[in-house]
Amino acid sequence: EPEVTQTPSHQVTQMGQEVILRCVPISNHLYFYWYRQILGQKVEFLVSFYNNEISEKSEIFDDQFSVERPDGSNFTLKIRSTKLEDSAMYFCASSENSYEQYFGPGTRLTVT
Amino acid sequence: GQNIDQPTEMTATEGAIVQINCTYQTSGFNGLFWYQQHAGEAPTFLSYNVLDGLEEKGRFSSFLSRSKGYSYLLLKELQMKDSASYLCAVRERGATNKLIFGTGTLLAVQP
Repeated sequence: EPEVTQTPSHQVTQMGQEVILRCVPISNHLYFYWYRQILGQKVEFLVSFYNNEISEKSEIFDDQFSVERPDGSNFTLKIRSTKLEDSAMYFCASSENSYEQYFGPGTRLTVT
Repeated sequence: GQNIDQPTEMTATEGAIVQINCTYQTSGFNGLFWYQQHAGEAPTFLSYNVLDGLEEKGRFSSFLSRSKGYSYLLLKELQMKDSASYLCAVRERGATNKLIFGTGTLLAVQP
């Protein structure tokens, strides 16, 4: 069964460093999303991406964040200058028709 | 505004039935999802309701009342592996129908 994959599974970085989180959505899906979940808290929407551009972004998704689909398979989330409060689990999700969203296994980001 | 409420924790016995409630208030409702999340893992899709009524899928059923802003997830014949968080999520009407999640209900199934 097709699935969303994410790399790395765990990323440790120092405050102020740039990180790139990678996702490979399900191949025939058209809608892509990033969510994050701070430990013990709820899953929060960050950004949605369709037709090679951002469709919607939340208040969390400030200028430090960017997304890109550099080729036909990868979907990346970049954080330019990480802060301690960026430590969270980051989930990528994809959807064929903005109906059911399939989540990847997540990348645990730890900022020290 | 958006507000999704569900109980923080519940406990049930193996083999029993449990109902997890969710109430919501959103600006543009376009469906309600239930996801299961085991600790440290990704949410996995369980069910979806967009019209009023009951949707059944094996041991899991989900109910929606749009007029009351209310849904529940019913789990039958509970198994130990059902111990997990259950997330209620509302899909908002919009360009890409983002999901707004509740805080989740942590279900503990006891022998």
